[in-house]
Amino acid sequence: KQEVTQIPAALSVPEGENLVLNCSFTDSAIYNLQWFRQDPGKGLTSLLLIQSSQREQTSGRLNASLDKSSGRSTLYIAASQPGDSATYLCAVYGNQFYFGTGTSLTVIP
Amino acid sequence: DVKVTQSSRYLVKRTGEKVFLECVQDMDHENMFWYRQDPGLGLRLIYFSYDVKMKEKGDIPEGYSVSREKKERFSLILESASTNQTSMYLCASSLYPSGSPYNEQFFGPGTRLTVL
Repeated sequence: KQEVTQIPAALSVPEGENLVLNCSFTDSAIYNLQWFRQDPGKGLTSLLLIQSSQREQTSGRLNASLDKSSGRSTLYIAASQPGDSATYLCAVYGNQFYFGTGTSLTVIP
Repeated sequence: DVKVTQSSRYLVKRTGEKVFLECVQDMDHENMFWYRQDPGLGLRLIYFSYDVKMKEKGDIPEGYSVSREKKERFSLILESASTNQTSMYLCASSLYPSGSPYNEQFFGPGTRLTVL
């Protein structure tokens, strides 16, 4: 069964810093990988989707990369802001969607 | 924009009650999903549906059933609620057939269910 791991579980950075969130998965037979943001008590908001044939996707200050062969993805956030504080989850899509447990990000003003 | 709505944001029920959670999506998506989210366990798939009147068990279907009578609506039913079903319930939908690299999930706001 696919296992998705996100390390660290929590991260705290000062405002303005660039940061990288990590996602690893055990089975490389995936169709895509999706990054989400979740605010406390809310649903998940889709940030980026990377198809298995792609290496990266960009949206504004966010850049996600995918290395399927090594089972890794990273989400790069440039010039972090307090409004970026949230939990970030990755999900891989193979025979079903499998989610990591997320990284809780706090950006300190 | 895709919109997925859930019938309640917060719900409090008693042990043994029958509970209905409803999810509606407005973008004609083929696929709909029910997850529960618990601290430290992440999202776990309860049931999903790839077509009207069609359902498939996910990883934790015990104690739950589902109904999909119309394409836009997917209901989760707790036949006899128990305290261990206290959780955040999330509904999602996606457009493309199984196995498509374009399959992107869109989530509703969630229902926080407490069973006393």
